[in-house]
Amino acid sequence: QVQLVESGGGVVQPGRSLRLSCATSGFTFSRYSMHWVRQAPGKGLEWVAVISYDGVNKFYADSVKGRFTISRDNSKNTLFLQMNNLRAEDTALFYCARESNLAPAGTLIDHWGQGTLVTVSS
Amino acid sequence: QSVLTQPPSASGTPGQTVSISCSGGNSNIGNNYVYWYQQVPGTAPNLLIYMNDQRPSGVPDRFSGSKSGTSASLAITGLRSEDEAEYYCAAWDDRLTVVFGGGTKLTVL
Repeated sequence: QVQLVESGGGVVQPGRSLRLSCATSGFTFSRYSMHWVRQAPGKGLEWVAVISYDGVNKFYADSVKGRFTISRDNSKNTLFLQMNNLRAEDTALFYCARESNLAPAGTLIDHWGQGTLVTVSS
Repeated sequence: QSVLTQPPSASGTPGQTVSISCSGGNSNIGNNYVYWYQQVPGTAPNLLIYMNDQRPSGVPDRFSGSKSGTSASLAITGLRSEDEAEYYCAAWDDRLTVVFGGGTKLTVL
């Protein structure tokens, strides 16, 4: 079955960096686009970024553009999120998620990981 | 402020039918598929409806989705206590971002 396991979260000071990882299994990773979605404590879901199956195309939410970088290693079935210049408002549970490939375009998330918590605080 | 607009709360008694709306614009719901997710407190979201009105295997047929123009709707018939959760709609936007609704907290009275 599809498994997505995030890691790398923790407590970090404002302005510092953190790198999240998402180890995947149970499907052919290199055939799927992947997303990061976050959820601040007590708040709703906020989309962060997406990367195409081959790593060529990457798109970001305005709130993280220029600070976060999504990447992937298809040889290791792993997704990453490099987060720089972190702010207090980045405090959230970060989910790794797989995009469905049922259609050539316009499909969205069909599987979610359990999330890794990032806390930005001095 | 979320791009997709959902009512913050909804409620019903067991057995009733509840409907949750999701309003957007031409660039998101109007031109793209709508997805619905259920999130039970303390757990990750779970796919409920995909491509406007399709149910993944394992999702009861009490859940149904529809879309018309720039709005979408999730209906839950035969409401059960285990349906108490937060529900989110989502869609791609033509600006190559993904937008979510603010979420609707469903209470089963």
